[in-house]
Amino acid sequence: EAGVTQFPSHSVIEKGQTVTLRCDPISGHDNLYWYRRVMGKEIKFLLHFVKESKQDESGMPNNRFLAERTGGTYSTLKVQPAELEDSGVYFCASSQDHTDTQYFGPGTRLTVL
Amino acid sequence: SQQGEEDPQALSIQEGENATMNCSYKTSINNLQWYRQNSGRGLVHLILIRSNEREKHSGRLRVTLDTSKKSSSLLITASRAADTASYFCATRGGSNYKLTFGKGTLLTVNP
Repeated sequence: EAGVTQFPSHSVIEKGQTVTLRCDPISGHDNLYWYRRVMGKEIKFLLHFVKESKQDESGMPNNRFLAERTGGTYSTLKVQPAELEDSGVYFCASSQDHTDTQYFGPGTRLTVL
Repeated sequence: SQQGEEDPQALSIQEGENATMNCSYKTSINNLQWYRQNSGRGLVHLILIRSNEREKHSGRLRVTLDTSKKSSSLLITASRAADTASYFCATRGGSNYKLTFGKGTLLTVNP
């Protein structure tokens, strides 16, 4: 069974540009989560989807970040416009039930210059 | 203040020795999970312990949970060079489904 996949693995963009990250959860997992780790800090929760619905987006830093999960399958996280402080590693995770283990993808390393 | 805090921040041992990492947290939890991250790679789930459990084993891993002290420990026995990685504890509590992570312990196992 394939694990959580994320694309791209790395992205380097200029400040002010737009970047879209993609996450494909494990097949059949209704719960999908986004987290990120900025340099030197702990991994922090961004938001949680159940199928296509946002259950909790309390961790989204500001309105430059937009997450979608149309159709309840893969999810995208768009940053527009990107700022220097958005640099970090963005992780996606999925679980079958919200109480279950969350399985993480390899992450997307975003560098904003 | 952050929920999970690992201790120590860095640990260097010789192959074959045991490694113990600790995690403290502040609020009540439903479960606590340990993850490993090898350099430049994703998070790998190691073990989950629920709030009503006190100890759990998985291969060379042993996890304990003391809810009265709000702390957990991860013991890796007979360490190998391949165990070199960052280890994170993550807690889930209340009605929140999100995980709250500590900053991690960087474990280096020298061959």
